[in-house]
Amino acid sequence: SQKIEQNSEALNIQEGKTATLTCNYTNYSPAYLQWYRQDPGRGPVFLLLIRENEKEKRKERLKVTFDTTLKQSLFHITASQPADSATYLCALEADAGGTSYGKLTFGQGTILTVHP
Amino acid sequence: DTGVSQDPRHKITKRGQNVTFRCDPISEHNRLYWYRQTLGQGPEFLTYFQNEAQLEKSRLLSDRFSAERPKGSFSTLEIQRTEQGDSAMYLCASSPKSEQFFGPGTRLTVL
Repeated sequence: SQKIEQNSEALNIQEGKTATLTCNYTNYSPAYLQWYRQDPGRGPVFLLLIRENEKEKRKERLKVTFDTTLKQSLFHITASQPADSATYLCALEADAGGTSYGKLTFGQGTILTVHP
Repeated sequence: DTGVSQDPRHKITKRGQNVTFRCDPISEHNRLYWYRQTLGQGPEFLTYFQNEAQLEKSRLLSDRFSAERPKGSFSTLEIQRTEQGDSAMYLCASSPKSEQFFGPGTRLTVL
């Protein structure tokens, strides 16, 4: 069966360091992978999308890599700040014979805490 | 604010009652999704609309759940005969193509 795993439930780092979050998947052939940020009591907010033919994508302090051979994506936040503290979710378009309509299957999330 | 809105934000109900939630998507988005999220988990897909057509419904969704999107605009999600296991955050998202824009969610508590 299809499965998405984010490697840790919680990650604690010091301000200014780089946070690295991992997303692994099995039994998928996704066309793209997405990362979202979610704050307590609020809906997820889209951050980045990376396609299967892209190795890396950047947006300001964020960087995402996508290795379809390893079936893994890494999400990096450089020069982290306490305001980056949140839950980060990876998501794959569910594979349904090419007619998944963009519905997403999410990992369980990683809670990132950046300490001042 | 032109984002996705959901109403109500919180709903407390007694077991066995029916509840209805509303979602207003971003107006130019023709794709609309409903998800359910429980504590410590990622959102779980419930159903999908392309304009007014409901094109997919999760196999996890019992027949107590129904959703509509009349005229391809706002959407409603109804849960009949609520059970304690229905307690969760219900999220609506709209999308122009790939990335999804989520509303703030409706938190349902079934007593």
